[in-house]
Amino acid sequence: DTGVSQDPRHKITKRGQNVTFRCDPISEHNRLYWYRQTLGQGPEFLTYFQNEAQLEKSRLLSDRFSAERPKGSFSTLEIQRTEQGDSAMYLCASSSFGAVGGELFFGEGSRLTVL
Amino acid sequence: DAKTTQPPSMDCAEGRAANLPCNHSTISGNEYVYWYRQIHSQGPQYIIHGLKNNETNEMASLIITEDRKSSTLILPHATLRDTAVYYCIVSTGTASKLTFGTGTRLQVTL
Repeated sequence: DTGVSQDPRHKITKRGQNVTFRCDPISEHNRLYWYRQTLGQGPEFLTYFQNEAQLEKSRLLSDRFSAERPKGSFSTLEIQRTEQGDSAMYLCASSSFGAVGGELFFGEGSRLTVL
Repeated sequence: DAKTTQPPSMDCAEGRAANLPCNHSTISGNEYVYWYRQIHSQGPQYIIHGLKNNETNEMASLIITEDRKSSTLILPHATLRDTAVYYCIVSTGTASKLTFGTGTRLQVTL
């Protein structure tokens, strides 16, 4: 399967713990995006990378959140000192900058539950 | 990016055409109309996009009005597997991100 893959698919943690999600984009895609989705809402943009450079961060991305894409390939999203309000689906997407249309290809998401 | 307005929910009988409307009255000349859908517990899936002309692919057709202030996504023969939330998004295409609203929940019934 050559689509966007995310790991883990489900994570249950206790409040105050740190969690890390990984995203492997489609190999030839140079842009990678993180979104968050809560129940009944559309995905909300968090941040995106072009190659290894983080080009934009949403105000939703508090100091407890950090995202990296060290070699311009896979990316990690870490949440420190989790809170119950962090419970959501975290979606990763990739795209090829410059491609006509520029559509995003999404992974299946990582669902976080903070107890 | 321009804002879009969609009805919160629609029903469609299986085998019939599903016509999903979207208003984007503040769209700019260089902005595309994108449609994505999200089936329960999955990531969003790209369907189609267009700038001015009507577009058709294997999944759907996109009809954009001449003034580009609204559009309609048409699923010609809806099946139960088309039950999903459909998002209409306006973007320049080379923009850094897509801004999702709450979409239209399409329920296809027997």
